[in-house]
Amino acid sequence: DGGITQSPKYLFRKEGQNVTLSCEQNLNHDAMYWYRQDPGQGLRLIYYSQIVNDFQKGDIAEGYSVSREKKESFPLTVTSAQKNPTAFYLCASSIGAAGVTDTQYFGPGTRLTVL
Amino acid sequence: GNSVTQMEGPVTLSEEAFLTINCTYTATGYPSLFWYVQYPGEGLQLLLKATKADDKGSNKGFEATYRKETTSFHLEKGSVQVSDSAVYFCALSDLNQAGTALIFGKGTTLSVSS
Repeated sequence: DGGITQSPKYLFRKEGQNVTLSCEQNLNHDAMYWYRQDPGQGLRLIYYSQIVNDFQKGDIAEGYSVSREKKESFPLTVTSAQKNPTAFYLCASSIGAAGVTDTQYFGPGTRLTVL
Repeated sequence: GNSVTQMEGPVTLSEEAFLTINCTYTATGYPSLFWYVQYPGEGLQLLLKATKADDKGSNKGFEATYRKETTSFHLEKGSVQVSDSAVYFCALSDLNQAGTALIFGKGTTLSVSS
């Protein structure tokens, strides 16, 4: 089955630690995205990548970092510089081709809690 | 810039009631419009979409029509079920900016009781 997987489903972090959230897709999509979801605030874009070895900051990139070394993988690192990292993190992917409807497909999410 | 505004919830209905969740948008270019649904503790699932004016998206009894004249994409269902309880997000993407993020509304929580 084609789709997007995120791991782990739940993640606990101590203050001052960096943690990495995994996102893998086998849809052969060029574009991948990371969103953060907080109660009552909808989804906010952290980073996105339109192609391997390239990525762009979104609206709330401070305290986060990403890499895109392979087409199918787009891991997100939450660094100790992120002041309030407790949230639900969603990864998505899309074809990313200009001129066609670019539907995004989402993974099941990772819930990060800072202890 | 592009934006999406959807009605605030929560929306509370009895089973078999009629549902409308309003969504309006502001966009330059040629947006595609989407409704996503999120069940508790899960990611977002695409519910339906429309890519040009007057298109109607439909799925699982839900419908929405892309109205360019009123810049709206309201979600409707004739008879809701308890299993429809979820958060619904309206979103748009610009056809000429593929590979950039969707613009989401803040979400509307629907609660259906039996």
